[in-house]
Amino acid sequence: EAGVVQSPRYKIIEKKQPVAFWCNPISGHNTLYWYLQNLGQGPELLIRYENEEAVDDSQLPKDRFSAERLKGVDSTLKIQPAELGDSAVYLCASSMGQGPWETQYFGPGTRLLVL
Amino acid sequence: GQQLNQSPQSMFIQEGEDVSMNCTSSSIFNTWLWYKQDPGEGPVLLIALYKAGELTSNGRLTAQFGITRKDSFLNISASIPSDVGIYFCATTQGAQKLVFGQGTRLTINP
Repeated sequence: EAGVVQSPRYKIIEKKQPVAFWCNPISGHNTLYWYLQNLGQGPELLIRYENEEAVDDSQLPKDRFSAERLKGVDSTLKIQPAELGDSAVYLCASSMGQGPWETQYFGPGTRLLVL
Repeated sequence: GQQLNQSPQSMFIQEGEDVSMNCTSSSIFNTWLWYKQDPGEGPVLLIALYKAGELTSNGRLTAQFGITRKDSFLNISASIPSDVGIYFCATTQGAQKLVFGQGTRLTINP
């Protein structure tokens, strides 16, 4: 069974440019998460989707970050415009449901470098 | 938000040695999770603990949910080169929000 797929794996952009990350969750997983992982830190939740609905986006910087999950499957996270401090790894994860016992499966992440 | 404190931040050991790391918090939790992250990959769940005092093993890995519900430890016995990586403790806050510690980086000298 395929795991969580993310693309691109690496992205280098200049500051003020837009960037988008794509995630395809494990088939049948209704819950999708986007995490931000800064160097030397653990992942931090940006947004959580239940099907196509964003149920927790309290940590998403909405002035420059946006996300969507059309049709409740794939998801896209966008930054516009990117800042130097946005350099980090962006991880996508999915789980079957939303209970605390549901295992979250992580993708390999997209490594963003903003110059 | 909740803060999980992991120690040590890094470990340098010889192959074959046992490893012990822990995670503490000032808050009480109902779940403790241990993840491992290899270079260039996302975290992978190793062990999940759901009950105070619970002791769970997964091969050479053993983890315990502290009685006070404020801490957990992870032990690795007879370390091998593929154990290298970053180990994160995590807990759930609310419905399904994972909160992670800052990680323990394990390096093994062959």
